[in-house]
Amino acid sequence: DVKVTQSSRYLVKRTGEKVFLECVQDMDHENMFWYRQDPGLGLRLIYFSYDVKMKEKGDIPEGYSVSREKKERFSLILESASTNQTSMYLCASSPTGAFGILNTEAFFGQGTRLTVV
Amino acid sequence: AQTVTQSQPEMSVQEAETVTLSCTYDTSENNYYLFWYKQPPSRQMILVIRQEAYKQQNATENRFSVNFQKAAKSFSLKISDSQLGDTAMYFCAFMNGNAGNMLTFGGGTRLMVKP
Repeated sequence: DVKVTQSSRYLVKRTGEKVFLECVQDMDHENMFWYRQDPGLGLRLIYFSYDVKMKEKGDIPEGYSVSREKKERFSLILESASTNQTSMYLCASSPTGAFGILNTEAFFGQGTRLTVV
Repeated sequence: AQTVTQSQPEMSVQEAETVTLSCTYDTSENNYYLFWYKQPPSRQMILVIRQEAYKQQNATENRFSVNFQKAAKSFSLKISDSQLGDTAMYFCAFMNGNAGNMLTFGGGTRLMVKP
């Protein structure tokens, strides 16, 4: 089974701290994603990566950065945590799929609930 | 850009009954996929069902089926014989087949199955 593992289920950090959220997948997927989940807003894409050392901004990248030094690991970094970054963060991975090939499923981690106080 | 709208924030259904969750989307793409994901209280997002836009036949997975209306840009999920384990958040999602497998999600529908 595909496994996407996020390093923490719950985190409490102070305003201004630098925060690292780690995500590891074990299926050699090319694509990895960080989403933020807020009530009523669904999941919004923060950043994604389609290859090692490659990254692209999603819909809400402000206040975040990412790192992908190895294929299996994708890190989300909050440079200076703020209270409006209190949220659930979900990591996902997926293989690269060409049109017509049914390998487009994304696999998710269990989420990290981050509270910034 | 794509948008996905789920107009029902919360729904409830009696055990063994049938319920339909609504989803509409907006896109100018022709090559895309649509998904329903389930997020139970454990928070693990699970794929429920997938539909390829080029397929006219509606997808079915056991008790779950979709009504895909491409012209109307509608993608509803029908759950038959609802079970207590179906209680969860359900998210409709869109994937542009030409844009690197990114998913755009709706706001979610919280479904409660009552005994």
